[in-house]
Amino acid sequence: ETGVTQSPTHLIKTRGQQVTLRCSSQSGHNTVSWYQQALGQGPQFIFQYYREEENGRGNFPPRFSGLQFPNYSSELNVNALELDDSALYLCASSLIDSYGYTFGSGTRLTVV
Amino acid sequence: AQSVTQLDSQVPVFEEAPVELRCNYSSSVSVYLFWYVQYPNQGLQLLLKYLSGSTLVKGINGFEAEFNKSQTSFHLRKPSVHISDTAEYFCAVTNAGGTSYGKLTFGQGTILTVHP
Repeated sequence: ETGVTQSPTHLIKTRGQQVTLRCSSQSGHNTVSWYQQALGQGPQFIFQYYREEENGRGNFPPRFSGLQFPNYSSELNVNALELDDSALYLCASSLIDSYGYTFGSGTRLTVV
Repeated sequence: AQSVTQLDSQVPVFEEAPVELRCNYSSSVSVYLFWYVQYPNQGLQLLLKYLSGSTLVKGINGFEAEFNKSQTSFHLRKPSVHISDTAEYFCAVTNAGGTSYGKLTFGQGTILTVHP
C-alpha cells in the first residue's frame, strides 16, 4: 500500500504571496488533516477534511484554507503569506473512526 | 481545551541503557494517547497508541508506554536503546470518540540522543 505523499518537499515564497501545498492520502483512507510545525515546536492542527468538507479547525485564520477531492487527495492554500508562516506543513490521512493517522514527510515552506 | 506537556526537552543516554520519555496531559474528557517519532527532515511515524484496554501498550522498535489515568501520564519507555533511536519524540492526545476527531494535540517534543 502507498503511504502519504506531499509535494513539493521545499518551497520558498515572498511575504504577501499565496501558496498551494498538495497531499495524496494513503490508499483506503477517507480523511485528511493538516498540521503546521514551526521550528523546534510540536505540530499544530490546522484543519481536517472528510467527504470533501471541513469538519474541524484549529486556531488558524481564514487565510488558511483547504480542499479535499473525490480521490481523497487534498490541498492546503495559504494567502497573504507572513514570515511566521515559515514552517514544516504535515499532511495526515486516516480512515474515519480508526485513529490510525499516517503522516507524510511534509513540505518545508520558507517565507522571505 | 487539551494540553500535553513533555517534561524533558532533551534526553541524552548511552547505547544499551534504558530510557523513559515523560508525557503528562490535561483534558476534561476521556482521551486517546499517541507517541510519534520524527527523524531529521522526515514526517511523523506512529510508535504506539492507547485507545482502550490494557494500560500497558507495546509498540514498534521495542518501545512501550503505560497509561496512568490518575496521574494523567503516558510515559514512553525502552529497556535498551540503540544509536538508531536518536530522533525527536512527540506525545499527542485527542478526544476519545468526540467530535474533534482528527485533531491531535501534540507536546513540544523530546529530543533523544543515544551516545555510543
